[in-house]
Amino acid sequence: AQSVTQPDARVTVSEGASLQLRCKYSYFGTPYLFWYVQYPRQGLQLLLKYYPGDPVVQGVNGFEAEFSKSNSSFHLRKASVHWSDWAVYFCAVSGNMGYKLTFGTGTSLLVDP
Amino acid sequence: DMKVTQMPRYLIKRMGENVLLECGQDMSHETMYWYRQDPGLGLQLIYISYDVDSNSEGDIPKGYRVSRKKREHFSLILDSAKTNQTSVYFCASRPNRGRDTQYFGPGTRLLVL
Repeated sequence: AQSVTQPDARVTVSEGASLQLRCKYSYFGTPYLFWYVQYPRQGLQLLLKYYPGDPVVQGVNGFEAEFSKSNSSFHLRKASVHWSDWAVYFCAVSGNMGYKLTFGTGTSLLVDP
Repeated sequence: DMKVTQMPRYLIKRMGENVLLECGQDMSHETMYWYRQDPGLGLQLIYISYDVDSNSEGDIPKGYRVSRKKREHFSLILDSAKTNQTSVYFCASRPNRGRDTQYFGPGTRLLVL
C-alpha cells in the first residue's frame, strides 16, 4: 500500500530564510508525487507535481521539490520564505497520475517576522 | 477560472440527524472525490466518483453514501450522523485526461452534537 510520511508536524522559519519541508513516500512502482498548500479556512491548492522525468520540479511562488528514488523522498524547498507562506503543506503520492492520492499528515509552516 | 464549490460551508447537526453535503464544479470533470480532514490525520478518501452513477468506495466509506446524478454535482450523505463524523469535508474534481491533478473546494465544517 502507498503511504506518505511528513515527519515534522510544525516548522518555524524566519522571514527571508530558506526552507525545507520533508516528505518520505512508500510506493512499489513508479510514484507520482505532489505538494499541496492549505491556507487558513481554505481548500488545498497545488504547489507542484512530479511525474517521471527531471527529478527537480519547479512550482508556484518560488517553491521547488526534488525527487529521490534512492531515499524515497520528495522534499519541498524555497530559497527565501515570505510571511504569506504561512500555511499547512501536504505531500501526496499516487500511482496512477493523480487519480487516487494518499496524503501525509501535513506540516504547519510558521513564519517569524 | 476553474472552480469547485461546496454547500453549506458550516453545519451543526444533532446525533442521529441526516446530513447532506453538496459539491459542484463547472469544469465538466469526470472524476470527483469526497475527503475528510481531521487534525493529525491529513486527508482521508471517503468516496470516488468516476462519472454519473459510477461511484467507488475510498479508504473510509463506512457511515457515508454518495450520489452523482449529474456530472457537475456530487453529494455526500450521512444517514443518522454520529459525533465521530465531526470533521472538515472536502470535495475535489479531476479531469480524466492526461497529467492533470485534483482541484479542491473550500470545505464544509460539520459539527455533530
